[in-house]
Amino acid sequence: KAGVTQTPRYLIKTRGQQVTLSCSPISGHRSVSWYQQTPGQGLQFLFEYFSETQRNKGNFPGRFSGRQFSNSRSEMNVSTLELGDSALYLCASSLEDRVVDEQYFGPGTRLTVT
Amino acid sequence: AQSVTQLGSHVSVSEGALVLLRCNYSSSVPPYLFWYVQYPNQGLQLLLKYTSAATLVKGINGFEAEFKKSETSFHLTKPSAHMSDAAEYFCAVSRTGTASKLTFGTGTRLQVTL
Repeated sequence: KAGVTQTPRYLIKTRGQQVTLSCSPISGHRSVSWYQQTPGQGLQFLFEYFSETQRNKGNFPGRFSGRQFSNSRSEMNVSTLELGDSALYLCASSLEDRVVDEQYFGPGTRLTVT
Repeated sequence: AQSVTQLGSHVSVSEGALVLLRCNYSSSVPPYLFWYVQYPNQGLQLLLKYTSAATLVKGINGFEAEFKKSETSFHLTKPSAHMSDAAEYFCAVSRTGTASKLTFGTGTRLQVTL
């Protein structure tokens, strides 16, 4: 079974631009979560989608948004990029058929904002 | 609010020596606790999880962790370190009922020397 895939793996953008990152969960997984990883702030939860609905949201500004499609694939968008948005963005999926399920992480998209 | 604290951002051990990575949690309800490992330029991989079924949890690659409520700890151990264990390790906690919104510790980088 294929793992979580994220595209692109690397991205360079300029301040003020917007960016869209994509995540394909493991087949059959309905929950997709996004995390931002930076050296200064560590791993921080962005949001989670389940069955096309945002179920949880972290403490990030409205410039960060996401969505989930009917096939469970998810995208996150960051508008008006700032230098501080440079980070590794990780996507994770889970089956959600048990009370506490495991999250499986993708390799991440490394975003550099110049 | 729940959180985890990882003591020691860097730990160095000799190959064959005991690995001990410390994690203390703060939670107002019985927590679900996880240990993840991250190798360079990769996503996170689940090592083990505590879901209240047993206080001693065995994971992959010879790692295990013991949940100690009296000490609010969930330390990760491995009897004998291997060079391939060199990576960054993250302790994480989730609120009761879902593993989809993880709060991570700041991570501990494990170095294994000959």
